[in-house]
Amino acid sequence: EAQVAESGGGLVQPGGSLRISCVASGFPMSGHWMGWVRQAPGRGPEWVATIKRDGSETMYVDSVKGRFTISRDNAQNSVFLEMNSLRAEDTAVYHCVTLQNTNYGWFDPWGQGTRVTVSS
Amino acid sequence: DIVMTQSPNSLAVSLGERATINCKSSQSVFWTSNNLNYLAWYQQKGGQPPKVLFYWASTRQSGVPDRFSGSGSGTDFTLTISSLQAEDAAVYYCQQYYSLPLTFGGGTRVEI
Repeated sequence: EAQVAESGGGLVQPGGSLRISCVASGFPMSGHWMGWVRQAPGRGPEWVATIKRDGSETMYVDSVKGRFTISRDNAQNSVFLEMNSLRAEDTAVYHCVTLQNTNYGWFDPWGQGTRVTVSS
Repeated sequence: DIVMTQSPNSLAVSLGERATINCKSSQSVFWTSNNLNYLAWYQQKGGQPPKVLFYWASTRQSGVPDRFSGSGSGTDFTLTISSLQAEDAAVYYCQQYYSLPLTFGGGTRVEI
């Protein structure tokens, strides 16, 4: 069964940094675009970032451009999200997602998520 | 950005009755070159991540009961649950993947 699992969330002060990770299992992650989708408390999902199969292309929602960096290590079946200059509005559960149908696609599967709280 | 608007925000349906959820996109998500609508539907139950129900607007994900159906084209889409079961209580989201940024609707909560 294809699965993804996140780790690395936590409490960070405004302006701080955090790196979250995702490990895929049950499928060859190298064959898929991967991404991150976040969900703030009581809100709907928001796409954050996507990375191409070989890591050569990345895409971001405008609100995180210049602050977040998505990367991957196919040998480790892992995807990462480096988050800098964090703001209160970045507080959310961050889900690792597998994109179906290239970068213009739907998300399946989703991980359970890792919670990121930005607060002083 | 394509804005996805869902209606209603919530609805209460009796067991065995029909539930209808609407999703409207601010511009067409239909790609004429392949005749496909770039729209997906998800179900999210408490404490769980969303789970895909449909993609290409009406292609049912493996394992999704056939009481669920997806329809529509262009800018107007519908998710229908023909005979609501207790386990269908959840929040449902639509998502467009026609253009970046990929965007979701605000969700519709279905209560029994």
